[in-house]
Amino acid sequence: QITLKESGPTLVKPTQTLTLTCTFSGFSLSTSGVGVGWIRQPPGKALEWLALIYWDDDKRYSPSLKSRLTITKDTSKNQVVLTMTNMDPVDTATYYCAHTRYSGYDCPFDYWGQGTLVTVSS
Amino acid sequence: DIQMTQSPSTLSASVGDRVTITCRASQSISSWLAWYQQKPGKAPKLLIYKASSLESGVPSRFSGSGSGTEFTLTISSLQPDDFATYYCQQYNSYLITFGQGTRLEIK
Repeated sequence: QITLKESGPTLVKPTQTLTLTCTFSGFSLSTSGVGVGWIRQPPGKALEWLALIYWDDDKRYSPSLKSRLTITKDTSKNQVVLTMTNMDPVDTATYYCAHTRYSGYDCPFDYWGQGTLVTVSS
Repeated sequence: DIQMTQSPSTLSASVGDRVTITCRASQSISSWLAWYQQKPGKAPKLLIYKASSLESGVPSRFSGSGSGTEFTLTISSLQPDDFATYYCQQYNSYLITFGQGTRLEIK
């Protein structure tokens, strides 16, 4: 049974760096074909893909946010960490992590965490 | 970047109706398209992948079709549980993009 859960601060100040952790169970990021992504959703708005990391350390970033994002994995802890620098009030959103696979081609996100709301305000 | 455009943005329908939501890609994505359902305060749920493949456990009243740049999600007979927001997502390119969502509301 695959589960994912996001954790991190609920409130950050403008210009600060946000660090979010996705802790998962039911799969391993050392297994070939496994990936974890981050997606966010501002209140009342659409989903926005942020970043993705695969078992082989292939990393992908949204072009519009690439300069601010870093995604890493810790396979021993079953965790994926996303950092976002220079936070702004427009970054206020629910942040989700989600499981995906690579089967010779990318796949959609089939398991999602519950999400964590991050508010950016002074 | 590949842009995904959904229509309509909002759809009003009644229980038992057949409804269709459209998603258009700014360039061909072959069949690398997924559909998600999201209810308020909840994470999205995968319904359809590879344009027309039904995710395990999803009711058969949901179906997807299309290839290239135009795709549809059809719900054959709306049930009360289906009123939610639906998103398409392309995963053809190295990068991922979502549509802006279609809110399905009760008429």
